[in-house]
Amino acid sequence: AQSVTQLGSHVSVSEGALVLLRCNYSSSVPPYLFWYVQYPNQGLQLLLKYTTGATLVKGINGFEAEFKKSETSFHLTKPSAHMSDAAEYFCAVSFYSGNTPLVFGKGTRLSVIA
Amino acid sequence: KAGVTQTPRYLIKTRGQQVTLSCSPISGHRSVSWYQQTPGQGLQFLFEYFSETQRNKGNFPGRFSGRQFSNSRSEMNVSTLELGDSALYLCASSLAPGTQSYEQYFGPGTRLTVT
Repeated sequence: AQSVTQLGSHVSVSEGALVLLRCNYSSSVPPYLFWYVQYPNQGLQLLLKYTTGATLVKGINGFEAEFKKSETSFHLTKPSAHMSDAAEYFCAVSFYSGNTPLVFGKGTRLSVIA
Repeated sequence: KAGVTQTPRYLIKTRGQQVTLSCSPISGHRSVSWYQQTPGQGLQFLFEYFSETQRNKGNFPGRFSGRQFSNSRSEMNVSTLELGDSALYLCASSLAPGTQSYEQYFGPGTRLTVT
């Protein structure tokens, strides 16, 4: 069965430090991959997505992610954390060109320390 | 362009009652999906509607149902509420499934509390 694993339910970084949030998926077919962010008492906002083509994708707010098929990974990075990045981040996957529902990871809560 | 809207935003119900939640997708979007978010189970898929037809259904009991209208607006209904149904219910809309531009846009959610 297809699944998504986010390593680390809570990640804490200093302001200005590198942000790295890990996501691995399991699938026997090509995935569509997404990262969403959720701020308290709000819905999910799409940060970036990978469908086909370039494996390094850039999103909003300075985030980017790289699809590595050999490692079945889609880790999210940002070179320099900002206080406003503190939120919960979800990795999600869909299959068959988006014909299947999104399967979400458990989420990673990012804290940014001043 | 207005985003996905969900009503009501907050709801308190008693065990055994039923509830209806509403979702209006982004204009032009024809696909609507519903998700349940709880601290213990995370985000779980409930069902997806496209052109008034249910395309996919998650692993939830029959107490959970939904429908989509000709204007793409969607409702979900939960009957005989249980304490465990307390959750944030999120609606997401997309243009259509199965396209390279596929992406879902989420509403702010309806926070349901069952007492």
